[in-house]
Amino acid sequence: KQEVTQIPAALSVPEGENLVLNCSFTDSAIYNLQWFRQDPGKGLTSLLLIQSSQREQTSGRLNASLDKSSGRSTLYIAASQPGDSATYLCAVRGAGTALIFGKGTTLSVSS
Amino acid sequence: ETGVTQTPRHLVMGMTNKKSLKCEQHLGHNAMYWYKQSAKKPLELMFVYSLEERVENNSVPSRFSPECPNSSHLFLHLHTLQPEDSALYLCASSQDIRGGNQPQHFGDGTRLSIL
Repeated sequence: KQEVTQIPAALSVPEGENLVLNCSFTDSAIYNLQWFRQDPGKGLTSLLLIQSSQREQTSGRLNASLDKSSGRSTLYIAASQPGDSATYLCAVRGAGTALIFGKGTTLSVSS
Repeated sequence: ETGVTQTPRHLVMGMTNKKSLKCEQHLGHNAMYWYKQSAKKPLELMFVYSLEERVENNSVPSRFSPECPNSSHLFLHLHTLQPEDSALYLCASSQDIRGGNQPQHFGDGTRLSIL
């Protein structure tokens, strides 16, 4: 059974810092991995989707990498801003239809 | 207009009430999903519909009853819920259930509280 773990559970950084969020999964047979952002009381916003054949995806200040064989992904946020404060969720899709989610990393960026 | 719209945003109900959650997607997608997000637990998939047919039911209690009248609308009918059912219920859609490069798009959810 696929399990997704995100470390750390919470992170506080000053504005301007570069930071890395980690995601690991137990079954490497995945179709894709998706990173989401969730603001308090809101739904999920898709940030990046990496297909199983890809190594990384970039969007603005965000870069996500995927190492399928080791079951790891990282989300790199450059030059963090207070507006980046949110919970970041990692999810993998296997052979079924479901996305399997981690519990998330709650990020707080102070000005 | 947002891609996936859920109503109501908040719902408080007693254990004997019957209510329904509504989801509507304006993205032309063929697949729709219900997820449950409880405090301190990962999101859990509840139901998947593809072209109005239920294709997955993840051992969800019968007090939750989904309905998909067309590919744009998805309902979750609630009856005789328990306090542990209090959670954020999220709807999502995707182009279809196949393929490895299709992201799921989420609504803002319905915050459900059971008294």
